[in-house]
Amino acid sequence: EIVLTQSPGTLSLSPGERATLSCRASQTVSSTYLAWYQQKPGLAPRLLIYHASVRATGIPDRFSGSGSGTDFTLTIGRLEPEDFAVYYCQQYSSPRDYTFGQGTKLEIK
Amino acid sequence: EVQLLESGGGLVHPGGSLRLSCAASGFPFAGYAMTWVRQAPGKGLEWVAGLNGGGTYRTYADSVKGRFTISRDNSKNTVSLQMDSLRAEDTAAYFCAKSSGSFGYYFDFWGHGTLVTVSS
Repeated sequence: EIVLTQSPGTLSLSPGERATLSCRASQTVSSTYLAWYQQKPGLAPRLLIYHASVRATGIPDRFSGSGSGTDFTLTIGRLEPEDFAVYYCQQYSSPRDYTFGQGTKLEIK
Repeated sequence: EVQLLESGGGLVHPGGSLRLSCAASGFPFAGYAMTWVRQAPGKGLEWVAGLNGGGTYRTYADSVKGRFTISRDNSKNTVSLQMDSLRAEDTAAYFCAKSSGSFGYYFDFWGHGTLVTVSS
């Protein structure tokens, strides 16, 4: 099983600042099969990024993803008030072994 | 517009059973794998089970293997999760999600979730 470790656990920033979230895999994620999701309290997760760097439909361009192998990053260029939420990475290298990271909470400083 | 609507959650005793259903609309259902993801209260996301578009290839997390069964009815655009031998640690919100491909991949649409509580 591929274990995903996200850091930091909590990130405290102000609107307008840049956020950098990390996701590290215990082994290589093949074909950059890594996605990022945003979840707000009481709501379902929302797909932001897939294939490590492709924005999902309707996602603002302040969200960007990068990385390959075992190290991946989600960057939010200039934080808007609605961006404060929990973010999860997920690898989908094999349909027998989908795993999520433990999440990074992005909170208002 | 893609819509996923879960139902069937509730309170069940340890050792009991529950069947969750998810009604899908807005996309060619048989062409996409479907999955269940759960989230225990205050915790992160955990993939539970997946089923390909044709209903022939099932995959399960080790934590539910042998106790949960995923199935689908492509004539009714529904996917179900039969949960047997339930444990307290199965308490969670269960989300139905559409995969982006016929055999899996990332999850591009999610339902709002249904809450399962396992308690005596």
